[in-house]
Amino acid sequence: GQSLEQPSEVTAVEGAIVQINCTYQTSGFYGLSWYQQHDGGAPTFLSYNALDGLEETGRFSSFLSRSDSYGYLLLQELQMKDSASYFCSVDQGGKLIFGQGTELSVKP
Amino acid sequence: EAQVTQNPRYLITVTGKKLTVTCSQNMNHEYMSWYRQDPGLGLRQIYYSMNVEVTDKGDVPEGYKVSRKEKRNFPLILESPSPNQTSLYFCASSFSGTSGRYDGELFFGEGSRLTVL
Repeated sequence: GQSLEQPSEVTAVEGAIVQINCTYQTSGFYGLSWYQQHDGGAPTFLSYNALDGLEETGRFSSFLSRSDSYGYLLLQELQMKDSASYFCSVDQGGKLIFGQGTELSVKP
Repeated sequence: EAQVTQNPRYLITVTGKKLTVTCSQNMNHEYMSWYRQDPGLGLRQIYYSMNVEVTDKGDVPEGYKVSRKEKRNFPLILESPSPNQTSLYFCASSFSGTSGRYDGELFFGEGSRLTVL
C-alpha cells in the first residue's frame, strides 16, 4: 500500500532545533507538503517541495530526497507556540495522502 | 478575506438521517477536497474535485457522496449516516496543477465535528 510514516511524538526545548521525519512508500507523486495543526483546528500550510533539496521559509525548512523516499521538516529557534501536530502529505495528481502526524511538545 | 467556509461546525444526528455539510471557497480555486480526521489516523481523503463537474474518490469514499456543480461549492453528503462516520471533517481547496499556479498549498476550512448516534 501507499503510506507516509512519521514519528508520533517529539519533545524539544524552547530555542532548540527539531527535525520531523517523513518516510514514504508511494508509487509516485508531484510534491511533498507540510502542515501544522493546533488542537484540532484548521491545518495550515507550512512548506512544499516539488524538487529534491531544501526549501527555507523563515524558521521552517523542508527537505526532500526522492531517491531515499524521505523528507523532513526542520524547525529552528523553537517557540512555545510551535507546540502542535505536524503532517506531511504527498500529492498524486489530486489524490492526497497524509501521514498520521507528529505531535510536537515544546518545553520551557 | 480569503477563506474556506464549512457548515455546520458542529452537528449531532441519528443513524440514517441524511445530512449535508456545505463547503464554499472565495479564492477561485479549481481544486477542492474533503477529509476526515480520527484520533491516531491523521487526515484521510474522502473525495476530491479537480474542477467543476469533475470528482474522484479518495482513500475512504464509502458512505459519502459529493457534487461540484459550481466552482466555489463542494458539499459532502451522507445519505444514511452511521456511527462509524462520527469524525472531524475538513474541506480544503487550492489552485490546481492545470492552472499553472499549484504550489502545494491547501487552504482548509475550520472543520465540522459530526456525531452520529
